[in-house]
Amino acid sequence: QQQVKQSPQSLIVQKGGISIINCAYENTAFDYFPWYQQFPGKGPALLIAIRPDVSEKKEGRFTISFNKSAKQFSLHIMDSQPGDSATYFCAAHINFGNEKLTFGTGTRLTIIP
Amino acid sequence: DAGITQSPRYKITETGRQVTLMCHQTWSHSYMFWYRQDLGHGLRLIYYSAAADITDKGEVPDGYVVSRSKTENFPLTLESATRSQTSVYFCASSDFSDRSQETQYFGPGTRLLVL
Repeated sequence: QQQVKQSPQSLIVQKGGISIINCAYENTAFDYFPWYQQFPGKGPALLIAIRPDVSEKKEGRFTISFNKSAKQFSLHIMDSQPGDSATYFCAAHINFGNEKLTFGTGTRLTIIP
Repeated sequence: DAGITQSPRYKITETGRQVTLMCHQTWSHSYMFWYRQDLGHGLRLIYYSAAADITDKGEVPDGYVVSRSKTENFPLTLESATRSQTSVYFCASSDFSDRSQETQYFGPGTRLLVL
């Protein structure tokens, strides 16, 4: 059972454009929503994260938009650069003490010149 | 400061053999995790550990065994490898004592091929 659904599976964006990756969740007990970035041959690394008490969080060119009522959140990459080409995973966490993250299936982003 | 390391980085084995993947972290993080990454499935949790001698199953634990006798080590053993266990395995650690730092730190991964 996939508790966090991520789309699209792959995305091609031109340099300078906006990349948008979407995630939807089912469990309203989730209380923390991070995005991880993974380059080929490397392990994932935390990119940006948001809690459900805010609707948006911005760090440089990366923004998370969060819609609590729709149970959706998305990653926006402004002015996308070839160096942003990577796989992106959304995730969700429940504060029940076991500290597990539930990951989406990933989006392979390619930025073309 | 090595952070979190995994060994071996690449492994080829045969069906039925026992394989152990090693994970070591230098931060003294309380939590450690094992994931497998497969195309179309993302990252799936195999086992996790909240502290030394405390382990629990994740989403896909069948065929795997873990132990954690020391805080810094969290080995994953495939008792009798099957072709379906061909995957990339990631170890991660975290220290959730600070709620503002709920980050999992991942190792570089082990690519396992079961023939």
